[in-house]
Amino acid sequence: GQSLEQPSEVTAVEGAIVQINCTYQTSGFYGLSWYQQHDGGAPTFLSYNALDGLEETGRFSSFLSRSDSYGYLLLQELQMKDSASYFCAVRSHTYSSASKIIFGSGTRLSIRP
Amino acid sequence: DTGVSQDPRHKITKRGQNVTFRCDPISEHNRLYWYRQTLGQGPEFLTYFQNEAQLEKSRLLSDRFSAERPKGSFSTLEIQRTEQGDSAMYLCASSSDLAGAFNEQFFGPGTRLTVL
Repeated sequence: GQSLEQPSEVTAVEGAIVQINCTYQTSGFYGLSWYQQHDGGAPTFLSYNALDGLEETGRFSSFLSRSDSYGYLLLQELQMKDSASYFCAVRSHTYSSASKIIFGSGTRLSIRP
Repeated sequence: DTGVSQDPRHKITKRGQNVTFRCDPISEHNRLYWYRQTLGQGPEFLTYFQNEAQLEKSRLLSDRFSAERPKGSFSTLEIQRTEQGDSAMYLCASSSDLAGAFNEQFFGPGTRLTVL
């Protein structure tokens, strides 16, 4: 089957750095995405990793290790507006299914002043 | 506004009734996805269209759920004989077919369904 594991909650201080981990189990793995969702809002795309390594976009970076079935989202210089839920998602493709995206249960990030 | 739109935003219905939701994707996007999300959980994949073809449907989806995208533009999701367990936020997302772009899904605001 397919599954993703990420911590349910993380708390950090404004201005600090936080890392949200994600481990996955899937067949036909294509890549790992990260989405942000504020309370009452829709998920918004943050990043996508298909290859091993670190991708940086402003204050956010995302890492993937295909051999370890592991990735993380790194948020730097935390701001209060970063308080939200963060979801990792895998794109997979098997012989019995077309490409689809499976989301994890999400990590709720709370920022303290 | 050229984002993904969904209608209605809220729907309250009685158990046993049928409901239909509409999604208008970003106009140049070929791929369209439906998800269901309950409180504290991530979006759960329901179904996926590429143009008008429904390429994938979750095995978790009962026969009471059906989706269409007749002209490869807007899509509808119908739930027949609603049950209280169907209460959730139904999200629609679209993405481009272009290499490097189809991994970025743009989500609509969702339709919140409450089944009494």
